[in-house]
Amino acid sequence: AQSVTQLDSQVPVFEEAPVELRCNYSSSVSVYLFWYVQYPNQGLQLLLKYLSGSTLVKGINGFEAEFNKSQTSFHLRKPSVHISDTAEYFCAVKGPGGGYQKVTFGTGTKLQVIP
Amino acid sequence: DVKVTQSSRYLVKRTGEKVFLECVQDMDHENMFWYRQDPGLGLRLIYFSYDVKMKEKGDIPEGYSVSREKKERFSLILESASTNQTSMYLCASSHRHREEETQYFGPGTRLLVL
Repeated sequence: AQSVTQLDSQVPVFEEAPVELRCNYSSSVSVYLFWYVQYPNQGLQLLLKYLSGSTLVKGINGFEAEFNKSQTSFHLRKPSVHISDTAEYFCAVKGPGGGYQKVTFGTGTKLQVIP
Repeated sequence: DVKVTQSSRYLVKRTGEKVFLECVQDMDHENMFWYRQDPGLGLRLIYFSYDVKMKEKGDIPEGYSVSREKKERFSLILESASTNQTSMYLCASSHRHREEETQYFGPGTRLLVL
């Protein structure tokens, strides 16, 4: 079984400040990891994903995440946030293999950027 | 540009009504999914389908059914809507044979059951 924990339900941060959104996962097998963003009243869109290789993954809108196998973490970071980054962010984990592999989502972190 | 569309953005229904939520994707994806999203609970899988006429229960299938008659269309049915089914419903799709691929989401349907 796999699970995802996003410890922070809300993160307020001032505009142009750095931010880190935390994600920890558990799985008995190797996994793929994803970060999605959901803007108000919209569906989820992919920010970035880790499949293999370099542990530092860069995504859209200046976000990046680092895969840490020993700590089973995949934290999302941005060095300087903008008002437009206000949204809810979801971490997700997916097992390998063909066909259908279940995607497990975290409970989400609401990022509130303060002007 | 890839696209997943949902028939309604907002829906208000009465308790006991039969409700249909439609989802269409134009990416020729084999897999399609229905999730519900509730504050503090994240996304929970209701049903998914990996092919036409095929369906599998997710984590919370009770009170719901689905239909997949065509590859591009996946319908979620609430046989008799109840107030605890008030939620945001998200449809998604993905390739079956590309294990690394992400799921693509529709804009969501916010359902209110009175």
